[in-house]
Amino acid sequence: SYVLTQPPSVSVAPGKTASITCGGNNIGSVSVHWYQQKPGQAPVLVISYDSDRPSGIPERFSGSNSGSTATLTISRVEAGDEADYFCQVWDSRSDQWVFGGGTKLTVL
Amino acid sequence: EVQLVESGGGLVQPGRSLRLSCAASGFTFDDYAMHWVRQTPGKGLEWVSSISWNSDHIGYVDSVKGRFTISRDNAKNSLYLQMNSLRPEDMAIYHCVKDIGAAMTGGYMDVWGEGTTVTVSS
Repeated sequence: SYVLTQPPSVSVAPGKTASITCGGNNIGSVSVHWYQQKPGQAPVLVISYDSDRPSGIPERFSGSNSGSTATLTISRVEAGDEADYFCQVWDSRSDQWVFGGGTKLTVL
Repeated sequence: EVQLVESGGGLVQPGRSLRLSCAASGFTFDDYAMHWVRQTPGKGLEWVSSISWNSDHIGYVDSVKGRFTISRDNAKNSLYLQMNSLRPEDMAIYHCVKDIGAAMTGGYMDVWGEGTTVTVSS
């Protein structure tokens, strides 16, 4: 089955830029969705179809996808961005959705 | 307000069964595919099962095939997950999740319930 690999943790100082990667075999050929989950809350979509930002999500959140890596970028990081972030793709060969293992973003 | 409320979780012994329910409100339920996604502290999010708007297309993660059955009742705006032969590794928070489309075509999941906790232990 398709495997998505994320770093377990990323740390960044307030005001700086955080990059969270999601690696997969030729992931650039499929659409990647990103979810944010804060403690005790359900996940929330922050980026769809590689780089689309849903209404209500700050412009500081952006996404890209090429080759074997998709990236969620958070600019001008704020304390409120501290959360777990998960990438997700649809594996059409197996008809299954796949999530990455998640990345804990810590704001220093 | 779009809302998904799960119920039916609890403590169950290995090998026993449990049925989860999800009550949907605030949107036209039979216009959308629905999912069950589970979450554990150690394994993060794991997609469990999906069902298209009219139940014609159903899918399961390999680890639950033959043990879990997803279903829906559009007249009752409800989604279900029948879980049989439960194992300790099935222990998780189970989220009911709405798809953005009617079919299972790889769209994203735009509304999540808070989840119901399943504990499998003797």
